[in-house]
Amino acid sequence: GAVVSQHPSWVICKSGTSVKIECRSLDFQATTMFWYRQFPKQSLMLMATSNEGSKATYEQGVEKDKFLINHASLTLSTLTVTSAHPEDSSFYICSANQDYNEQFFGPGTRLTVL
Amino acid sequence: DQQVKQNSPSLSVQEGRISILNCDYTNSMFDYFLWYKKYPAEGPTFLISISSIKDKNEDGRFTVFLNKSAKHLSLHIVPSQPGDSAVYFCAASASGGSQGNLIFGKGTKLSVKP
Repeated sequence: GAVVSQHPSWVICKSGTSVKIECRSLDFQATTMFWYRQFPKQSLMLMATSNEGSKATYEQGVEKDKFLINHASLTLSTLTVTSAHPEDSSFYICSANQDYNEQFFGPGTRLTVL
Repeated sequence: DQQVKQNSPSLSVQEGRISILNCDYTNSMFDYFLWYKKYPAEGPTFLISISSIKDKNEDGRFTVFLNKSAKHLSLHIVPSQPGDSAVYFCAASASGGSQGNLIFGKGTKLSVKP
């Protein structure tokens, strides 16, 4: 199957700082990328859907000014958590698909905000 | 309100026996269902799917059954192996099989004992 990578795999930051997470499709062009968040013992919750070259569509309850998503190319999407707080600590996972075929998930990024 | 429910947070099965993981949904617009397997600190990997026009789909040791009238699906693993130990997520989509926005359940942790 296709490969999706995320970087970094884990990050620890101080409260109030911003953190950028990258999601890359390594061997295919991703027309759509999705960002999910998973809290412990909870399901993966879709945060936003991004299409290359256009603004992301955010799910209800997700602050677009706090979680900035950029999908600048067909192989790269970034999620920036701005002014991170401890409650933003979570496991962030991206997925990508091509022309709405199967979604391929990245390995996830563990964010810990102190 | 959770649209996809996995009511059993955990399941323990003896190696060689059958594992049955259950999933219920509430949204009648869902027409495509998927099962994902997830190891700790990794992204989900696709396992098997089923369209709402079918009631069964089989792939090797894995079989998914769909009961639309009951809004219920189940994943059967026969025979279970220790390597099957992971968290299994049920997911649903109302995108006509395009696997766009996925709604996930909370997952069931399967432990297969040798």
